[in-house]
Amino acid sequence: EVQLVESGGGLIQPGGSLRLSCAASGFTVSSNYMSWVRQAPGKGLEWISVIYSGGSTYYADSVKGRFTISRDNSKNTLYLQMNSLRAEDTAVYYCARTTVTTGGVGYFDYWGQGTLVTVSS
Amino acid sequence: EIVLTQSPGTLSLSPGERATLSCRASQSVSSSYLAWYQQKPGQAPRLLIYGASSRATGIPDRFSGSGSGTDFTLTISRLEPEDFAVYYCQQYGSSPETFGQGTKLEIK
Repeated sequence: EVQLVESGGGLIQPGGSLRLSCAASGFTVSSNYMSWVRQAPGKGLEWISVIYSGGSTYYADSVKGRFTISRDNSKNTLYLQMNSLRAEDTAVYYCARTTVTTGGVGYFDYWGQGTLVTVSS
Repeated sequence: EIVLTQSPGTLSLSPGERATLSCRASQSVSSSYLAWYQQKPGQAPRLLIYGASSRATGIPDRFSGSGSGTDFTLTISRLEPEDFAVYYCQQYGSSPETFGQGTKLEIK
């Protein structure tokens, strides 16, 4: 059974850093495309980053230069390092397994339960 | 980037009725790369439909998707109590992937 479990969220001051983790089971993270999607309170969904099975990474403009996606193959875990956090980064962050088309974009077939990040002083 | 506009914002129906949700794109979505998700309060989204009309694993056949180009539809043939939720469309025909703002399906 495919499972994704996020952790690492919490309250952080503006300008601070946080690292989210997403532990996977039932499949191999390194053999799949994996994404982070966030949802601000009461708002819709926003794709923010993807890591390809080959290791290439891509980011939404809203987080480029501040967030870094990575994975640890030995732990079958996905990460999101978030630096220079802003109030507008407040959201529930989901990791999601991604099925990608030939164009390199995709849909999200399995999601974790999410972890809440609150950026506030 | 492609902007997706969902309508209506809220749909009030009764169990047993048919629901029709719309998703319109600001430009053509290549190869009908359009997905639909269901999200209940406090839960993660769940994939319902991909490729505009293919049901994801385990999704009941009362859910169906259709459309191409810029106009897509999610139809729920006979509403069950567990179907009342928020529904999002998402395009993956061009980068970046984008979502619609959602349609809330509520019990009338």
